[in-house]
Formats: sequence, structure tokens, C-alpha cells
Amino acid sequence: GNSVTQMEGPVTLSEEAFLTINCTYTATGYPSLFWYVQYPGEGLQLLLKATKADDKGSNKGFEATYRKETTSFHLEKGSVQVSDSAVYFCALSDYSFNKFYFGSGTKLNVKP
Amino acid sequence: DAGVIQSPRHEVTEMGQEVTLRCKPISGHDYLFWYRQTMMRGLELLIYFNNNVPIDDSGMPEDRFSAKMPNASFSTLKIQPSEPRDSAVYFCASSPQTGSNTEAFFGQGTRLTVV
Repeated sequence: GNSVTQMEGPVTLSEEAFLTINCTYTATGYPSLFWYVQYPGEGLQLLLKATKADDKGSNKGFEATYRKETTSFHLEKGSVQVSDSAVYFCALSDYSFNKFYFGSGTKLNVKP
Repeated sequence: DAGVIQSPRHEVTEMGQEVTLRCKPISGHDYLFWYRQTMMRGLELLIYFNNNVPIDDSGMPEDRFSAKMPNASFSTLKIQPSEPRDSAVYFCASSPQTGSNTEAFFGQGTRLTVV
């Protein structure tokens, strides 16, 4: 079956620190992979995506590379800001069933 | 486009009452999803529709929950009777096409509190 596993939170960093949030997946077929961000009191917003192996998604300084050999899609940012404080969700979509599978979410707190 | 629109944003109701949550997907989107978010269970897919037809309702927790999509621009999620453990944030999302190259677009959510 399909599933997504991401690192437990919360993650607390100082401003300008390097961020990594790990995400691994299990899938049948050839899924697309996504990172969503949820700010307090809001819905989920797409942060970036990758649709095939070795693709790199990037947006707002965040990056993630679709690694088929390790079934991973880790989120990285070189220098976080206080405004990046949010909950981050890794997700995959299944071509066959058009369902989206979400990880449990990782809360990021960035301190000034 | 205004995005996925959910109403109400907040709902407080007494145990045993019927609750109806509403969603207007983005125009032209073929897929509509209902999710529930809680601290304990995270984000759970309850049901999703393709072209107004329910495709998978295996995530609906109990018979107290029902969802309809009478047309392409409107869906409802109903809980009858409501219970305190139904308290959560309910999200509606829509997606424009088959295939896995596109994302789901989420509404702002409805925060439901059952007292």
C-alpha cells in the first residue's frame, strides 16, 4: 500500500539555521511527491512538488529531491526565518486512485 | 478564482445535534476530498468524489457521518448526531484532473467543537 512517514516534531531552530525534515514513502507505481505547509489557523498550501525520480522541487528557499532509490523526499532550507514557523506535511499522490496520502506533519518553531 | 471555500469557519454545537459542513470547490476541478485533522490522528481522508460520485468512503468513521455532492460546485459533510469526539478541523480540498502531476487545493477549514 501507500504511506508516508515523516520525522516527529516539534523541531526548534534558531533563525538562519539549516533545516532538514525527513520524509520517506512507500508506494506502488509511480507517485508524485509534495510538501505542504500549514500556518496557524489556515489550510494546507502547496510548498513544492516533484513528479518523477531525481526531480527537485523548490520554492521560497525550500528544496526537496525525489529519491527513488531511498524512497525519500527530505525537505531542506539553508537559512530559516521566524516566518517559516508552521507545520509541514509530506504527501504523495497515487496515479491509480487519485488519492493523496499525508504524513503526520512536523511542527517547526523558529526562534529569533 | 477564490479558491476552495468552506463554511462555516467555526461551528460550536451541542452533543446530539446535526451538523452540516459546506464546501465549494474550485471551478473545473474533478475531484473533491474531505479530510479531518486532529492532534491525535493527524490528517485523515474521510471520503473523496470524482465528478460528483463518491469513489472511496472507507475513511468515514461511522454511520453518523455522511457526505453528498449534488453538483460540481457544492458538497456537504453531515454529522448526525454529533458527539464530542467529532471535535476537529474539517478540510475540503479539490484537484483538477486525473493523474498525479497536480496537487490538491485546500480550503481554510471548519473548526468544529461539540460540547
